[in-house]
Amino acid sequence: QVQLVESGGGVVQPGKSLRLSCGASGFTFSTYGMHWVRQAPGKGPEWVGVISYDGSKKIFADSVKGRFNISRDNSKNTVYLQMDSLRAEDTAVYYCAKDQTWNWGQGTLVIVSS
Amino acid sequence: DIVMTQSPLSLPVTLGQSASISCRSNQSLVYSDGSTYLNWFQQRPGQSPRRLIYKVSNRDSGVPDRFSGSGSGSDFTLKISRVEADDIGVYYCMQGSQWPLTFGGGTKVEIK
Repeated sequence: QVQLVESGGGVVQPGKSLRLSCGASGFTFSTYGMHWVRQAPGKGPEWVGVISYDGSKKIFADSVKGRFNISRDNSKNTVYLQMDSLRAEDTAVYYCAKDQTWNWGQGTLVIVSS
Repeated sequence: DIVMTQSPLSLPVTLGQSASISCRSNQSLVYSDGSTYLNWFQQRPGQSPRRLIYKVSNRDSGVPDRFSGSGSGSDFTLKISRVEADDIGVYYCMQGSQWPLTFGGGTKVEIK
């Protein structure tokens, strides 16, 4: 069965950086695109971005464009979310999700606060 | 960006009765390949979202047939027949026809 496990969340000061990881198992990771979606406390989900199966294509939401980047290592079945210049409004639970079938991980909480 | 609007915001239902949630987009979700990429997700309290329905009306594996999706173009509905206690949570529609992907604001289903 598909399993996605996010890690790397925590408390970070505004303007700093953080890298999240998402480890995948239960499917052929190298053949699927992967999404990142976030959910601020008490709010609905917000799509953050996607990376193609081979890492050659990436698309981002305007709210994170230029500050966030997605990468993947197919040899490690892992996708990453690099978050730079963090703002208070980036505070959320961050989920990775498998393209096409939209399986989600359990999420990792990022709090941006001084 | 495509704006997804759900109604109602809150939906109190009696166990065993039906419930319907509306989702409207501000433009057609018909993609160039002819498919309509409209998904429905359920988020139970304290859990990650789980997809129930894809491409308007296709149930995901393991989803009870009490859940059904319908609609076309820019007007969609999720129906829950014979609501059970396990169905409480927030339901979201999400369009996958155009970047960026966008979600509706959610409908909270609670038991009366």
